[in-house]
Amino acid sequence: ETGVTQTPRHLVMGMTNKKSLKCEQHLGHNAMYWYKQSAKKPLELMFVYNFKEQTENNSVPSRFSPECPNSSHLFLHLHTLQPEDSALYLCASSQVMANTEAFFGQGTRLTVV
Amino acid sequence: DAKTTQPPSMDCAEGRAANLPCNHSTISGNEYVYWYRQIHSQGPQYIIHGLKNNETNEMASLIITEDRKSSTLILPHATLRDTAVYYCIVRAGGTSYGKLTFGQGTILTVHP
Repeated sequence: ETGVTQTPRHLVMGMTNKKSLKCEQHLGHNAMYWYKQSAKKPLELMFVYNFKEQTENNSVPSRFSPECPNSSHLFLHLHTLQPEDSALYLCASSQVMANTEAFFGQGTRLTVV
Repeated sequence: DAKTTQPPSMDCAEGRAANLPCNHSTISGNEYVYWYRQIHSQGPQYIIHGLKNNETNEMASLIITEDRKSSTLILPHATLRDTAVYYCIVRAGGTSYGKLTFGQGTILTVHP
């Protein structure tokens, strides 16, 4: 248990579906992140939120839409995904300013059919 | 952030020390060396980090060369549960300490 909880752990969705991934942290952190890990590839940073504001979007397609309503919660809204979007989606949190570690959730294994 | 080079895989016998090397020859003065590991299909787990001094915690030791161009992560008594992918990451100080650039890492296999 890292203090970062992701739900659901597994998700299968059709290409026309809309679904959302949820991330919650109770570590008092003020920065949250979404990463994507495709098969046989390194983790790729998708989005960065500092103090609820998006500070980075690494050229992520608009079919992925993040939302950060407060410092403890982060969502990733999914719509009209492609099969190549199937991957492990990981959420992380950290402090914005202090040189400490990031904590990762266990991830959501997403399969697009 | 500086690029790192790690061997793709290593083996270690259970109970022995595992020494995982990392080259970061282009590291600059304000960049830290971080180590994370990822056990199969789980989220990465922080291990240790340092700037220029050697560091030790309950999980591991980090040895950084004097010129800071390479480092070694040492797991003093490896167990089967240490089998994982180990990532060496170099990043500057500043903000957003979860903003990490992962490479392919080293697959460490600990065998009985």
